[in-house]
Amino acid sequence: GAVVSQHPSWVICKSGTSVKIECRSLDFQATTMFWYRQFPKQSLMLMATSNEGSKATYEQGVEKDKFLINHASLTLSTLTVTSAHPEDSSFYICSASVGHGGTDTQYFGPGTRLTVL
Amino acid sequence: QKEVEQNSGPLSVPEGAIASLNCTYSDRGSQSFFWYRQYSGKSPELIMFIYSNGDKEDGRFTAQLNKASQYVSLLIRDSQPSDSATYLCAVKGTQGGKLIFGQGTELSVKP
Repeated sequence: GAVVSQHPSWVICKSGTSVKIECRSLDFQATTMFWYRQFPKQSLMLMATSNEGSKATYEQGVEKDKFLINHASLTLSTLTVTSAHPEDSSFYICSASVGHGGTDTQYFGPGTRLTVL
Repeated sequence: QKEVEQNSGPLSVPEGAIASLNCTYSDRGSQSFFWYRQYSGKSPELIMFIYSNGDKEDGRFTAQLNKASQYVSLLIRDSQPSDSATYLCAVKGTQGGKLIFGQGTELSVKP
């Protein structure tokens, strides 16, 4: 149980284009999903918390107009990188939360590797 | 002071030995503690979680939590080369369900 998928697993795009990444919880409903970014040899950096039916909460320094998050259902959250530039090239990973209160646990998707040319 | 601190390593142990990974955290209100394993180029995979003081065992893995000392550790018994990965300590504090990650400890198990 607690399987999270992401699509696509990798994407290459030209500078200035937008890229949408999907995150799905396959065998459970996730009220809350999280989006992370990870650069080589660095730890995970939380970008935003996505709650079903409401606006995402972005971490300090993350541009909400550049990284659009939509959590339209209990099993799907999307991250759109708008007007991507080479510095946005990174490993984007989502996670979905299972459980409630202090005992909820995050399970991660397999990640999406974005390369912006 | 970082919120969650781990030794970055690399930690090198011979096959069959016990690997000990340590983590300290600063938020005394933290409720839940997690260990994730991340292979190079892959996403994190949950190994264990622990909520209460003491030890929790799952197969070759044992998590230890000491809230008074704000310390959590992961022991891997009978280490295998396939255990070679980066181990991330994550702490759920008092800020809206977010996990705070340490920088990870790279473990290398030598055959």
